[in-house]
Amino acid sequence: QKEVEQNSGPLSVPEGAIASLNCTYSDRVSQSFFWYRQYSGKSPELIMSIYSNGDKEDGRFTAQLNKASQYVSLLIRDSQPSDSATYLCAVTMYSSASKIIFGSGTRLSIRP
Amino acid sequence: GAVVSQHPSWVICKSGTSVKIECRSLDFQATTMFWYRQFPKQSLMLMATSNEGSKATYEQGVEKDKFLINHASLTLSTLTVTSAHPEDSSFYICSARAGDNEQFFGPGTRLTVL
Repeated sequence: QKEVEQNSGPLSVPEGAIASLNCTYSDRVSQSFFWYRQYSGKSPELIMSIYSNGDKEDGRFTAQLNKASQYVSLLIRDSQPSDSATYLCAVTMYSSASKIIFGSGTRLSIRP
Repeated sequence: GAVVSQHPSWVICKSGTSVKIECRSLDFQATTMFWYRQFPKQSLMLMATSNEGSKATYEQGVEKDKFLINHASLTLSTLTVTSAHPEDSSFYICSARAGDNEQFFGPGTRLTVL
């Protein structure tokens, strides 16, 4: 089992709709969770971090964390074509000395 | 926000030569810096973890004698690709972290070895 798992996609969502990206992780005692966005040919950009169960909202983005289910998600409301990118889920693993482990990413495509 | 710079942004070199890439945290002190490599359409691959003043920790399969990492200060880490070959052509990205908080990425360096 991979330490951080994401569906590779592509996930296609119409403009204006809600895009839902999901991530599961294997280390039950993980403490910190991050979502990064990576455009083709560019480096990842941090868009959300979440540390406790529940929802965290920032503009059109909402991160959701459920530690009991070892599940973290990212919702993007009012999706725009500029949201088309690969989204990387990242988790700090207690078992690997606080190293941040990245999922392989989900490609999101927003169709006009 | 936290800013991480990398230099150069791209480099082309001949096979057998060495290339040095610099990573700097501009507005914070980075206790830990990371070096990643990413091939086209593939995910990030962690190469090594670097802590200021100590030797880097390399991931399995990464040759420490080929990819030399120096973390001389809390704001600067360097990666030197020694005796580069065409298969080393890739997108090299550094990131920096202060404490246990978020990790911020540099813009990356695209290396092409002819």
